[in-house]
Amino acid sequence: GQQLNQSPQSMFIQEGEDVSMNCTSSSIFNTWLWYKQDPGEGPVLLIALYKAGELTSNGRLTAQFGITRKDSFLNISASIPSDVGIYFCAGGYGGSQGNLIFGKGTKLSVKP
Amino acid sequence: NAGVTQTPKFQVLKTGQSMTLQCAQDMNHNSMYWYRQDPGMGLRLIYYSASEGTTDKGEVPNGYNVSRLNKREFSLRLESAAPSQTSVYFCATDRRSGNTIYFGEGSWLTVV
Repeated sequence: GQQLNQSPQSMFIQEGEDVSMNCTSSSIFNTWLWYKQDPGEGPVLLIALYKAGELTSNGRLTAQFGITRKDSFLNISASIPSDVGIYFCAGGYGGSQGNLIFGKGTKLSVKP
Repeated sequence: NAGVTQTPKFQVLKTGQSMTLQCAQDMNHNSMYWYRQDPGMGLRLIYYSASEGTTDKGEVPNGYNVSRLNKREFSLRLESAAPSQTSVYFCATDRRSGNTIYFGEGSWLTVV
C-alpha cells in the first residue's frame, strides 16, 4: 500500500532546542494531520491542515501543508521534557475514500 | 482520547480462540476505524465504516471481521486468533471520512 516517508526516524532533544520533522509522499493529499503518541496511549491529534500552503500553530507547535500537497512539516519550538514521545504524520484524501495513511513515526527522546 | 472507548484494554488469547474488541464513541461521528500498530510498521488500517450500515476493508483485513452495530459502536472480531495478530489495536472515529481522526486508548492483544 501507499506509504509516507517520515523523517527523521528518531532524534534526541535537549530542553530548549527547536525540533523539526517532515513527511513526504509520492501522491497528493487533501489533508495532512500530525499526532503525538505517549507510551501506552492512543495517538492524540496535534494539528490538522486542510489547504495547500496552510501554516497552522498550536502553542509551540507549527505545521505546514506543502504547496505541492505531497509534503508537510512539524516544528516544535523551545522543547520541554513532556515533548518526548512518538510523532506521526498522516495524509488523507477525504470524502468517501475513508482512511488516512500514516507515516512510521519520529521518536523524540531526551539527550542523556 | 475522550469520547472513544475500547474494551478490553488487555487480552491474552490462545491460538485458534476467538474474541471481539468493542469500540463505542459518544462524539456523534459518522466514520469509525480499526487500526493495528506494530513496531516499525506504524498504524495500519484493518477495516473502516464510513457510515452506519457500511464497512470496507483497509490495508490488512485478513483474519478479521467487523460489525457496525449502530452509529456509536464498531466491533472487531478475530474468529481464529493467530500469533501474527499480536498487536495493539486502536479504534478511531471522525465526523467525515478521512478528515480528522480521533483515537481510543488502545487494546493490547497477545496471541500465544
